[in-house]
Amino acid sequence: DGGITQSPKYLFRKEGQNVTLSCEQNLNHDAMYWYRQDPGQGLRLIYYSQIVNDFQKGDIAEGYSVSREKKESFPLTVTSAQKNPTAFYLCASSIDLGKSHEQYFGPGTRLTVT
Amino acid sequence: GQSLEQPSEVTAVEGAIVQINCTYQTSGFYGLSWYQQHDGGAPTFLSYNALDGLEETGRFSSFLSRSDSYGYLLLQELQMKDSASYFCAVRVLYSGAGSYQLTFGKGTKLSVIP
Repeated sequence: DGGITQSPKYLFRKEGQNVTLSCEQNLNHDAMYWYRQDPGQGLRLIYYSQIVNDFQKGDIAEGYSVSREKKESFPLTVTSAQKNPTAFYLCASSIDLGKSHEQYFGPGTRLTVT
Repeated sequence: GQSLEQPSEVTAVEGAIVQINCTYQTSGFYGLSWYQQHDGGAPTFLSYNALDGLEETGRFSSFLSRSDSYGYLLLQELQMKDSASYFCAVRVLYSGAGSYQLTFGKGTKLSVIP
């Protein structure tokens, strides 16, 4: 079955540590996205990528970094510079940026930083 | 910037019809998407309107009026499993990157009661 996987489902880190969230898709989609969701809030775009070795900042990129070395993979690193990293992180993909209105989401990673 | 308004909570009876409204203020508007998210789960794509009018997909319909900057999601024959959060998202042009991205509303929590 095609889909998006994110691991782990729950992640705990100490303040000051960098942490990398995994996102893998086997849908053969070109475009991939990272969102952050806080309680009672909508999704906010962190980064997106339309093709391998290319990515763009979203609305809240500060304190985050990404890479896109393979079409299937789009890992997100939450750095110690991110002031409020505790959140639910969602990875998504679409066929390409032209189909960005129809995104497929992974199950998410809930990150807690103390 | 963009702003989207949708009711925070709606309650409806099983078997009934419910309408979830979304008004938006944005520049570079290209279309309106709707997503469903069950508690702790991944958002799933429901519908997309780029043009004025009604789009029907089974029990769900979505409407857009570009002149009124308004849209709604209509759910018919409500079932208990429809209890979830529903997000409207405007597809807008990211002027810096030349691509279209989604900006999400804060979501409407729908509770279906027997």
